[in-house]
Amino acid sequence: GESVGLHLPTLSVQEGDNSIINCAYSNSASDYFIWYKQESGKGPQFIIDIRSNMDKRQGQRVTVLLNKTVKHLSLQIAATQPGDSAVYFCAENRGAYGQNFVFGPGTRLSVLP
Amino acid sequence: DGGITQSPKYLFRKEGQNVTLSCEQNLNHDAMYWYRQDPGQGLRLIYYSQIVNDFQKGDIAEGYSVSREKKESFPLTVTSAQKNPTAFYLCASQWGGSTEAFFGQGTRLTVV
Repeated sequence: GESVGLHLPTLSVQEGDNSIINCAYSNSASDYFIWYKQESGKGPQFIIDIRSNMDKRQGQRVTVLLNKTVKHLSLQIAATQPGDSAVYFCAENRGAYGQNFVFGPGTRLSVLP
Repeated sequence: DGGITQSPKYLFRKEGQNVTLSCEQNLNHDAMYWYRQDPGQGLRLIYYSQIVNDFQKGDIAEGYSVSREKKESFPLTVTSAQKNPTAFYLCASQWGGSTEAFFGQGTRLTVV
């Protein structure tokens, strides 16, 4: 069936290194993709999104890459900081509204001192 | 401050009881959503509402009910018909012209 998922459930990186969190999707008709960050016991926070007609989008210390050929999405975090420790979700949106979001299970990022 | 507020943060329910989770937003968003989050799983949509006095079932609506009498409020009732209600519940809202959904801080419901 169609799904959005993550290759790795956990990722540990050294403080100051770059982090790469991956996501696979299977529905080539999705309009855009979103990355959320969720800290323990809190609601998800929007990080960055990318439309299906783009390959790359940059934000502050974050870059999202979209490879439609292999249906792969990645989130790169530059100079990872302790405050980046959280669970990161990718979501695939198949329509204009949130009822069409399909969320992956998440990757837990741990930043080591 | 503008935002979306869920209450309570923690909620305990006895078997057979109905409980209502509150979700309020002052962002003037038309669309509101309820999700359920279980360990190791992605968010699953329970109910959504795109406009006042209208709401639709999501993927896992059985055992839940909602109302949308005001634009700002979208309460979720977990009924006794929900067989496994222990979970983290997230409410979100969205402006129709935006790709971003704003989430509340969640309510952790535990059946005792």
